[in-house]
Amino acid sequence: NAGVTQTPKFQVLKTGQSMTLQCAQDMNHEYMSWYRQDPGMGLRLIHYSVGAGITDQGEVPNGYNVSRSTTEDFPLRLLSAAPSQTSVYFCATRTGAGNQPQHFGDGTRLSIL
Amino acid sequence: GEDVEQSLFLSVREGDSSVINCTYTDSSSTYLYWYKQEPGAGLQLLTYIFSNMDMKQDQRLTVLLNKKDKHLSLRIADTQTGDSAIYFCAADSGGYNKLIFGAGTRLAVHP
Repeated sequence: NAGVTQTPKFQVLKTGQSMTLQCAQDMNHEYMSWYRQDPGMGLRLIHYSVGAGITDQGEVPNGYNVSRSTTEDFPLRLLSAAPSQTSVYFCATRTGAGNQPQHFGDGTRLSIL
Repeated sequence: GEDVEQSLFLSVREGDSSVINCTYTDSSSTYLYWYKQEPGAGLQLLTYIFSNMDMKQDQRLTVLLNKKDKHLSLRIADTQTGDSAIYFCAADSGGYNKLIFGAGTRLAVHP
């Protein structure tokens, strides 16, 4: 998945800790999104952004914050981690031209103990 | 809310055709997508179809769309062991940035 870089790839946290999942893209895509993937549930949209300075909530935003200060970066912040946030997190981007499909990063596997 | 449903498992013999089915509820969905996920990896876009099309073919992949029934299928011809993966159907909903995913169909290819 060249062009969309997620870090870290793996992380273990204790309940109550905070952390930031990073997503960076070098394709100058306007649209960026965060999804979480849980077993048997497919992917669910957490937050998304249509451009620098603009963010909006998705289907499951509670417990997460985002900001978009640059086109390239769209970090996802867990304010106070809970076991229910154990999941695989994917960042996706797409160009604003027409309706091009979203391209996904390789994911961050997060465990909350 | 809007929903996308798919069967969870499919097992096929190597060389046969695989057909993965999907239904969706949002009649305003403009584009429908198929993604492939191999173990431990991200999602790879396989193909997508515009809602005013009935069929799209891309090498071994054929997508059929019945918009009236909100039914989408992905056919993989001459299925190979390398096709073993989870296949996700997704529909845009409420705008191009919002994708609703199915739970994924695990395709197992055996000799």
